[in-house]
Amino acid sequence: GENVEQHPSTLSVQEGDSAVIKCTYSDSASNYFPWYKQELGKRPQLIIDIRSNVGEKKDQRIAVTLNKTAKHFSLHITETQPEDSAVYFCAASLSNFGNEKLTFGTGTRLTIIP
Amino acid sequence: NAGVTQTPKFRILKIGQSMTLQCTQDMNHNYMYWYRQDPGMGLKLIYYSVGAGITDKGEVPNGYNVSRSTTEDFPLRLELAAPSQTSVYFCASEQGYEGLRGQPQHFGDGTRLSIL
Repeated sequence: GENVEQHPSTLSVQEGDSAVIKCTYSDSASNYFPWYKQELGKRPQLIIDIRSNVGEKKDQRIAVTLNKTAKHFSLHITETQPEDSAVYFCAASLSNFGNEKLTFGTGTRLTIIP
Repeated sequence: NAGVTQTPKFRILKIGQSMTLQCTQDMNHNYMYWYRQDPGMGLKLIYYSVGAGITDKGEVPNGYNVSRSTTEDFPLRLELAAPSQTSVYFCASEQGYEGLRGQPQHFGDGTRLSIL
């Protein structure tokens, strides 16, 4: 099955600086890669996703890059703000009928230092 | 739309008791999932369903059962509760088109369960 590794497990960043979280996956057939943000005591919420036919996707201060050859993808947050403090999870899945499971990474706790 | 609704929000059980965690979604999604999240950890898949009448095991199914009699509802049953089942349980749903996945999963607010 798919295995997703996520690094780092904790990350502290000065407000206004950038944060980068990296994930690697094992199954080269995986082709859908979402990122979820989970604030303390809350549910995970999708913040951005990317499919394997795209190398990069941006949404305001958030971007995701995908390197299919190396089987890794990264989350980039620019101009970080206190409300970016949360746990971030990456995930990977095969986008075809018959394999309907997301495999999650172990999470990165991001702390923004004012 | 209310999205994914889970009940109860909190529950304390004694060892050996049983209970059902309820999950319902009003988005007409085909796929539904149950995850557990232990403190400070990631999400582990317990069971999932790709449609009414179809369920399958995830990574950690032991001690749990599910059913999917309707598109909307996906209850999770705990039999003979054990302290190791103390966790936060999240239900999620996904649109799920046949032949095409890769759609976001929508999560409920979770059920915080303690087994004492």
